[in-house]
Amino acid sequence: DAKTTQPPSMDCAEGRAANLPCNHSTISGNEYVYWYRQIHSQGPQYIIHGLKNNETNEMASLIITEDRKSSTLILPHATLRDTAVYYCIVRAPISSGSARQLTFGSGTQLTVLP
Amino acid sequence: DTGVSQDPRHKITKRGQNVTFRCDPISEHNRLYWYRQTLGQGPEFLTYFQNEAQLEKSRLLSDRFSAERPKGSFSTLEIQRTEQGDSAMYLCASSPTGGIGGYTFGSGTRLTVV
Repeated sequence: DAKTTQPPSMDCAEGRAANLPCNHSTISGNEYVYWYRQIHSQGPQYIIHGLKNNETNEMASLIITEDRKSSTLILPHATLRDTAVYYCIVRAPISSGSARQLTFGSGTQLTVLP
Repeated sequence: DTGVSQDPRHKITKRGQNVTFRCDPISEHNRLYWYRQTLGQGPEFLTYFQNEAQLEKSRLLSDRFSAERPKGSFSTLEIQRTEQGDSAMYLCASSPTGGIGGYTFGSGTRLTVV
């Protein structure tokens, strides 16, 4: 699976949008971009994923560039509870016989400030 | 369904003792993954099962680590002759067999070897 690069830390004011970037310049055509977050002392939580179109759900929006070499996770109105480590991961679809495990990097520590 | 359950949440053991952790995945998920996470790092893949078959175990850290999923439902991870370096969070995740959906992680078992 392709490698991703994220800034180690970011701050965001409460109520403002948090924009978390991720570079994945070696992404393959069948690899999806996934975002997870991990709040202290909990397991990672799935947020959103996408292939090439922008995606939105109740938690966040995912913007993927046209060349698919980078993406941005947007939390539209950050709250203190959004303080967490955010992981950007690329992975091909699960298929029989392949592990397709998620490979985590170090992620971005997002701190939402009051 | 209450998601992925892990037991115990915390375990303190003396060096040299054996420990066993349990994971109960989401009932309709055929795949089950074990990860280890040390302080300040992202989760590290250890092994995975599809139903009761362990299809990837080369990433287990040593022969002191073993995992089972005897009836394709819950799974156990055992560490024999624990060492201080085994102190970490052990995470379990489950997913359907195919497709592009995200994994669901449990809250983890935090192991401290003294």
